[in-house]
Amino acid sequence: DIQMTQSPSSLSASVGDRVTITCRASQSISNYLNWYQHKPGQAPKVLIYIASTLRSGVPSRFSGSGSGTDFTLTISGLQPEDFATYSCQQSFSTPWTFGQGTTVEI
Amino acid sequence: QVQLQESGSGLVKTSQTLSLTCAVSGGSIRSGGYAWSWIRQPPGKGLEWIGYIYHSGRTHYTPSLKSRVSMSIDTSKNQFSLQLSSVTAADTAVYYCAEWSDNYYFDSWGQGTLVTVSS
Repeated sequence: DIQMTQSPSSLSASVGDRVTITCRASQSISNYLNWYQHKPGQAPKVLIYIASTLRSGVPSRFSGSGSGTDFTLTISGLQPEDFATYSCQQSFSTPWTFGQGTTVEI
Repeated sequence: QVQLQESGSGLVKTSQTLSLTCAVSGGSIRSGGYAWSWIRQPPGKGLEWIGYIYHSGRTHYTPSLKSRVSMSIDTSKNQFSLQLSSVTAADTAVYYCAEWSDNYYFDSWGQGTLVTVSS
């Protein structure tokens, strides 16, 4: 199985901050990397797919980059509704695997 | 985008079988190319993909759970189901159903349902 490691596991930030979350794969996954946002009691939603493609309807302050084994999710100008948990997921090969999640807190 | 809603027992006894159903609305479960997945998140841990099923009935399960998992699909009811046998406390988790997009990501998700395994 491909292991996905996120860092940090949690971070504290303020509205307006620029936030960066990293995800590392245990082997090369090309650009088959997705980012999700999830909040308690709500359906998770995809933000970025294929490493850097913004899902339709997702605000442009979210961006993704990387290829191979190292990837980054950046939120430029954190908004109140962005306080949530973010998870990366590789779609290179089954079993599809997720990172352990990064919680963005106030 | 379709909407998904999980339902099933929230409390299962140790060694018994967990059963959940995901109702799909706003679209047909028969849409070609899509797969329907189950994902879970144990308390304090990351998300874990359990497996998927196509509208044809073809399935693929994660190896660690393969011996205990069974998925089925009912196109007439526009829903799909998960069964996990011989459960233990380690199977306690929030279980999500999700649609696998042909762009290689989980597009629509249900809100999740907590299943607790207890003796």
